Amino acid sequence: DIVLTQSPDSLAVSLDERATINCKSSQSVLYNSNNKNYLAWYQQRPGQPPKLLIYWASTRESGVPDRFSGSGSGTDFTLTISSLQAEDVAVYYCQQYYTTPLTFGGGTKVEIK
Amino acid sequence: QVQLVESGGGVVQPGRSLRLSCATSGFSFSDFGMYWVRQAPGKGLEWVAVISNDGSNKFYEDSVKGRFTISRDNSKNTLYLQMNSLRAEDTAVYYCAKGPITFGRAIVSPFDYWGQGTLVTVSS
Repeated sequence: DIVLTQSPDSLAVSLDERATINCKSSQSVLYNSNNKNYLAWYQQRPGQPPKLLIYWASTRESGVPDRFSGSGSGTDFTLTISSLQAEDVAVYYCQQYYTTPLTFGGGTKVEIK
Repeated sequence: QVQLVESGGGVVQPGRSLRLSCATSGFSFSDFGMYWVRQAPGKGLEWVAVISNDGSNKFYEDSVKGRFTISRDNSKNTLYLQMNSLRAEDTAVYYCAKGPITFGRAIVSPFDYWGQGTLVTVSS
């Protein structure tokens, strides 16, 4: 199984400051034939289902604010919130869809400092 | 608009069974692989199962293999999860989810729409 390890477990960031979340995969999720990374990012606010933010490691889902960006390739990925807003308080998860079992990272809780 | 509505959760004793349903609307159900994902109270997300658009392929997370069965009725636009031999560690909110249209009939995908979830509590 592909294990996704997120860091940090939690972080507190001031409003309008940058938040950075890391996701490390136990094996590459880069599919060489199409040069795509099979990795997604989600935001989950309290009491809500997760919301897809990013897929293919860096493609923003429609309607997602451009302060959210994804980067990385192979085994190391990053979700960046360029200017944290109050509504961004949530838990963020990475997910690989390279192979079954589909797996998620353990989550990173983002709070306002 | 796309809607996924789960039902069938509740409190059940260990070893008993429960069937979850996910009624869908707003998209061509028979063109998409469908998923179940669960989240234990206060914990992270765990993929449970996937079924291909025509029901011919199914994959499960190891801990539910042989106990859970995913199925679908494309005439009713509904997804199911039959859960047998339930254990305390199956206690979770169960979400149904679908992949983005750009992924078509793929059975590995991210999830662009999720239901609100249904809580399953396994306790004596």
